[in-house]
Amino acid sequence: DIQMTQFPSTLSASVGDRVTITCRASQSINTLLAWFQQKPGKAPKVLIYKASSLESGVPSRFSGSGSGTQFTLTISSLQPDDFATYYCQQFSTSPWTFGQGTRLDI
Amino acid sequence: EVQLVESGGALVQPGGSLRLSCAASGFTFSSHNMHWVRQVPGKGLEWISFITTTGNTKDYADSVRGRVTISRDNAKNSLYLHMDSLTSDDTAIYYCVREGRAWLDNWGQGTLVTVSS
Repeated sequence: DIQMTQFPSTLSASVGDRVTITCRASQSINTLLAWFQQKPGKAPKVLIYKASSLESGVPSRFSGSGSGTQFTLTISSLQPDDFATYYCQQFSTSPWTFGQGTRLDI
Repeated sequence: EVQLVESGGALVQPGGSLRLSCAASGFTFSSHNMHWVRQVPGKGLEWISFITTTGNTKDYADSVRGRVTISRDNAKNSLYLHMDSLTSDDTAIYYCVREGRAWLDNWGQGTLVTVSS
């Protein structure tokens, strides 16, 4: 199975900050990676797919980059609504594994 | 509007069985592969199963393989997950998820399965 390692596991930041979350795959997944945002008590929501494609309706302050084994999710200027948990997931090879999540705190 | 509504979650004894359902609306269900993803409350996400549009291809995570069967009824716009030999490790929220242009682009609200005596 492809292991997805996400870091940091917890990130403290403030409104207006630029933050970056990293996801590393145990083998190359090309650009077959998605990023999800999950708020407490809610289902996850896709933000980025194919490593860098922004899902419709997602604010442009979210961006993704990377290929192969190293990927990043960047939020250019944190807004109050962005404090949540973020997960990466590879969809290159089944089982389609998730990272362990990054909780973004104020 | 795309809607996925799971049902069937319950408190079940270890060794028991359960069938989860997902009612889909707002899109052409038969045109989309579908997945089940689960989450232990307060923990991370785990992909557990997938089915193609026709139901001809299915896949499972090792953690559930042999105990779980995914199926769909395109005439009823419904997705199912039948689970047998449940253990406490299966206690989780189970999400029905649509595969679309943006990969897993629509999620249901989840249904809670609790395995306990």
